[in-house]
Amino acid sequence: AQRVTQPEKLLSVFKGAPVELKCNYSYSGSPELFWYVQYSRQRLQLLLRHISRESIKGFTADLNKGETSFHLKKPFAQEEDSAMYYCALSGSGGYQKVTFGTGTKLQVIP
Amino acid sequence: DSGVTQTPKHLITATGQRVTLRCSPRSGDLSVYWYQQSLDQGLQFLIQYYNGEERAKGNILERFSAQQFPDLHSELNLSSLELGDSALYFCASSTSNRNYGYTFGSGTRLTVV
Repeated sequence: AQRVTQPEKLLSVFKGAPVELKCNYSYSGSPELFWYVQYSRQRLQLLLRHISRESIKGFTADLNKGETSFHLKKPFAQEEDSAMYYCALSGSGGYQKVTFGTGTKLQVIP
Repeated sequence: DSGVTQTPKHLITATGQRVTLRCSPRSGDLSVYWYQQSLDQGLQFLIQYYNGEERAKGNILERFSAQQFPDLHSELNLSSLELGDSALYFCASSTSNRNYGYTFGSGTRLTVV
């Protein structure tokens, strides 16, 4: 079974402070990991994929297979980063369902 | 708008009734996915279709069914509704059966009274 755990329901940080949103996963095969973001009153949208090794809006995430983690990080939080963040996992084969974590609400305090 | 379109945006209905939620995928996307989001359970995968065929199934109740039509739009049918079915139902689409990231619709908020 595949499982995604986001231990924090709410994370509050001050503007300019570093951000780390935690994500741990459980999967027996080779996983594909994603972060999705949902800004207020907007639809869920893809933020980044581990396979792309990209940085989007200053956010990065590194897949750590030893610790089965895929934490999302940003060195300096901005007010516009306030949103719900969901970590998601799927297998690497075809027709794989995506399992989402329960989400972490990031609140950036001005 | 070439994104994922879901209708209706809001739906209020009584227990025991049946409703149909509709999703039009992003232009060119062959895969459609349905998710249920409730307050205490997060995003729960329901079902996936690829080019008209069911490809993966999650925790979808027997009272729920879905299909994808030749024009690639999909419908999620919920019957014998219960209060606990109140939730946001999201549709997402992707370019292929591989997961390169979804494009989500804005969801249908179902309230069962």
